[in-house]
Amino acid sequence: NAGVTQTPKFQVLKTGQSMTLQCAQDMNHNSMYWYRQDPGMGLRLIYYSASEGTTDKGEVPNGYNVSRLNKREFSLRLESAAPSQTSVYFCASSGPGTTDYEQYFGPGTRLTVT
Amino acid sequence: RKEVEQDPGPFNVPEGATVAFNCTYSNSASQSFFWYRQDCRKEPKLLMSVYSSGNEDGRFTAQLNRASQYISLLIRDSKLSDSATYLCVVNMGSNYQLIWGAGTKLIIKP
Repeated sequence: NAGVTQTPKFQVLKTGQSMTLQCAQDMNHNSMYWYRQDPGMGLRLIYYSASEGTTDKGEVPNGYNVSRLNKREFSLRLESAAPSQTSVYFCASSGPGTTDYEQYFGPGTRLTVT
Repeated sequence: RKEVEQDPGPFNVPEGATVAFNCTYSNSASQSFFWYRQDCRKEPKLLMSVYSSGNEDGRFTAQLNRASQYISLLIRDSKLSDSATYLCVVNMGSNYQLIWGAGTKLIIKP
């Protein structure tokens, strides 16, 4: 099992460019999440998906969109990147129930917006 | 006031020593608690859950004090491999309501 995989590992964008971060899990989990991690701050939830076909906003959704393509895949899109979106992005999954609290994380994407 | 507060450290500790750090939370409705470990430039991984009665896993002991609203992590006989950032996580009722602390950095020195 690969667990949770993310691509790309690193990315540099110019302000205004767009990109999609890809995430996939092979643990048959129902729930998937996108977080961002900034220095001196805890992980902040951007969007989550409780199950295939559903997505909901987290704490910091502005400037992002998501797609739950199927049970395995959950992508995060930046339509018009801004320097404030420079961060490390983690995808995570958990499940199959809603009370399986352990979250499994991907290796992260380090994004710099210039 | 932050919802979950941790001393950022770093805690510099000699190998073999015992080290403890706390995490305070502001919402008394918090339902469950966890410690995650994050190695430098890596993803977080669950270290242990924190139960009301406290729990122990080898050299690691976690305690919960609901009256004072803090959780603690004690590491005995520390190893070089324990060097990492320890993240305190508070669950407000579902997987979509996790509040993450910014972490405490621990450096174990030989």
